[in-house]
Amino acid sequence: GIQVEQSPPDLILQEGANSTLRCNFSDSVNNLQWFHQNPWGQLINLFYIPSGTKQNGRLSATTVATERYSLLYISSSQTTDSGVYFCAVEPGSNYQLIWGAGTKLIIKP
Amino acid sequence: DAGVTQSPTHLIKTRGQHVTLRCSPISGHKSVSWYQQVLGQGPQFIFQYYEKEERGRGNFPDRFSARQFPNYSSELNVNALLLGDSALYLCASSLVEQSPLHFGNGTRLTVT
Repeated sequence: GIQVEQSPPDLILQEGANSTLRCNFSDSVNNLQWFHQNPWGQLINLFYIPSGTKQNGRLSATTVATERYSLLYISSSQTTDSGVYFCAVEPGSNYQLIWGAGTKLIIKP
Repeated sequence: DAGVTQSPTHLIKTRGQHVTLRCSPISGHKSVSWYQQVLGQGPQFIFQYYEKEERGRGNFPDRFSARQFPNYSSELNVNALLLGDSALYLCASSLVEQSPLHFGNGTRLTVT
């Protein structure tokens, strides 16, 4: 089956720093989504981005489907950005999402 | 509008028992999916329903079953609980298939 790899696994930054999170996938996909899971376990959809670039405030994402990777950019980090960032892909027509292991981000004040 | 709501929020069961978890999707959303998340890992797909029909099933034993009702709410049932079923069970809804997923806060199941 398709493999989804996220890097780095852990990231510790000072408030105000910028970061780039990467998601590689091993086969073509129908769509790709980025999620943020906060320390209380709540999963928030950040981007639905099968290809191209999208921006939402301090966050932006780019997916290059032909090269099988996606990047999530976080600028001017805030402590509330802490948590785990997941990339999830839909590989075929059975509508299930395959998830990466996540990047754990800690923003220090 | 209310988000995806799940009940109960926490549950403690004994091995061999049965459990029913409930989910109400965002108003207007017709697709509901269930995921299991073990601590330290990404969610694992269990089921997806669209317009009351099962559209996808993950690699889970037959002890796991689900259904979607005419109002698009959904239930996940797990029979003969095992210790390994202890996890956070997440429900997600989307407007249609292949559209952004929106998750509820989950049900934390502990099997003793």
